[in-house]
Amino acid sequence: GENVEQHPSTLSVQEGDSAVIKCTYSDSASNYFPWYKQELGKRPQLIIDIRSNVGEKKDQRIAVTLNKTAKHFSLHITETQPEDSAVYFCAASLSNTGNQFYFGTGTSLTVIP
Amino acid sequence: DVKVTQSSRYLVKRTGEKVFLECVQDMDHENMFWYRQDPGLGLRLIYFSYDVKMKEKGDIPEGYSVSREKKERFSLILESASTNQTSMYLCASIGSLKGYTFGSGTRLTVV
Repeated sequence: GENVEQHPSTLSVQEGDSAVIKCTYSDSASNYFPWYKQELGKRPQLIIDIRSNVGEKKDQRIAVTLNKTAKHFSLHITETQPEDSAVYFCAASLSNTGNQFYFGTGTSLTVIP
Repeated sequence: DVKVTQSSRYLVKRTGEKVFLECVQDMDHENMFWYRQDPGLGLRLIYFSYDVKMKEKGDIPEGYSVSREKKERFSLILESASTNQTSMYLCASIGSLKGYTFGSGTRLTVV
C-alpha cells in the first residue's frame, strides 16, 4: 500500500519568515494530495490540495508543489503569522482505492511573534 | 457546509467495557472513515465504509468493529476497551475525490 512520510516533525519560524513542510509518497498511482491544518483542540481542516496533473497551486500565502517523478510534494507558507501555528498533515490518495487517504505523521509549526 | 457530528467530545470508560462512538453526516456521502490520532503517529485508519452495511478494515482494525446501518451514520465499536485504546478518534466523510470533512473528534480515555 501507500506510505507517506512527512518532515520535519516540528518547525519553529519567526513571524514573517517562510515555512516549508515536505512529504514523500511511495505509490506512483496516487493522484490527489491534500493538506490539512489542525489547530489545538480542533478538527483537521483542508487548506489546500493538488492533483497529479498540476505542478503547483497557490492560495494567497499558501502554496503546494508536486514533483511526480520524485514522488514528493511540499507545502509552502510565506509571511507566516502567529495564527499559522498548528499541526499540518499531508495526505495522498490512490486512484484505485476510492477515497482512502494515507496521512503523514504531521508537522507541528510554531510561529514566534 | 458538510457537517460531520460526533456524539461525544470527551468520554471516560473502564477497561473491558463495550464502547460505542457515533458519527453522523448530513450530506448523503457514501464514504465514511474512522481514524485515531496519537502524538507522533499521525492519523491512522481503523475502518471505512463505502456504502450502507459495507465495511473495510483499515490499517489498525484490531480491537474495533463498525456498523453502518444507515447511510448517514457510521459507528465505531470497541468490543472490550483497553488502556491502549485511549486516544483521539476522528470520523470523516467524503462525497467525491476531494478533501475529507472531519468531525470534531472524541477524546476517549480508558481507565
